[in-house]
Amino acid sequence: SAVISQKPSRDICQRGTSLTIQCQVDSQVTMMFWYRQQPGQSLTLIATANQGSEATYESGFVIDKFPISRPNLTFSTLTVSNMSPEDSSIYLCSVEGGVKGLYEQFFGPGTRLTVL
Amino acid sequence: SQQGEEDPQALSIQEGENATMNCSYKTSINNLQWYRQNSGRGLVHLILIRSNEREKHSGRLRVTLDTSKKSSSLLITASRAADTASYFCATPIYNQGGKLIFGQGTELSVKP
Repeated sequence: SAVISQKPSRDICQRGTSLTIQCQVDSQVTMMFWYRQQPGQSLTLIATANQGSEATYESGFVIDKFPISRPNLTFSTLTVSNMSPEDSSIYLCSVEGGVKGLYEQFFGPGTRLTVL
Repeated sequence: SQQGEEDPQALSIQEGENATMNCSYKTSINNLQWYRQNSGRGLVHLILIRSNEREKHSGRLRVTLDTSKKSSSLLITASRAADTASYFCATPIYNQGGKLIFGQGTELSVKP
């Protein structure tokens, strides 16, 4: 299993600012995933980040709002841009692990974001 | 959109009792996975059941899968206060690599 860390663990930000969340994995992985979990809700996939290519965004999420970097096989960042209170959520990164083709995922501890 | 629905949304039981959570999904699946989330933290993978399996055990966890009804259940036996968490089912999206779709989740509270 992969060990994943995220920074920051939580933050309180002002409306209109941006926050960059870091995700570090202890092993090289091909794909990394970024999820959003709004208060009291389930997880929604924001985008898939492959090293060396542009991230693939899910419906309802755009690069201008959630730019993602993937500079190498162990690291990725997600930026939440021009934040509004509606962006208050937990943001989680994950990677695949386990048996190939079964798509089990290992998650970071999450970043709890509050936008005032 | 979410793949499935889980019920109940919330479940409160006493220590030592069994807890059963259900998950329904909409499309064909390769496998179905259950995750636990403690207090809004990261998710922990609990157990995976493949589409050709009907039942699987792991410690105090028992998962069943009924592909004809597109449903799964997670049973936690002899529950403990430490089992208090949110539980989510998730399924990989067919032909889209590792993407997972999560159910709405069940919030389990185990009282000592």
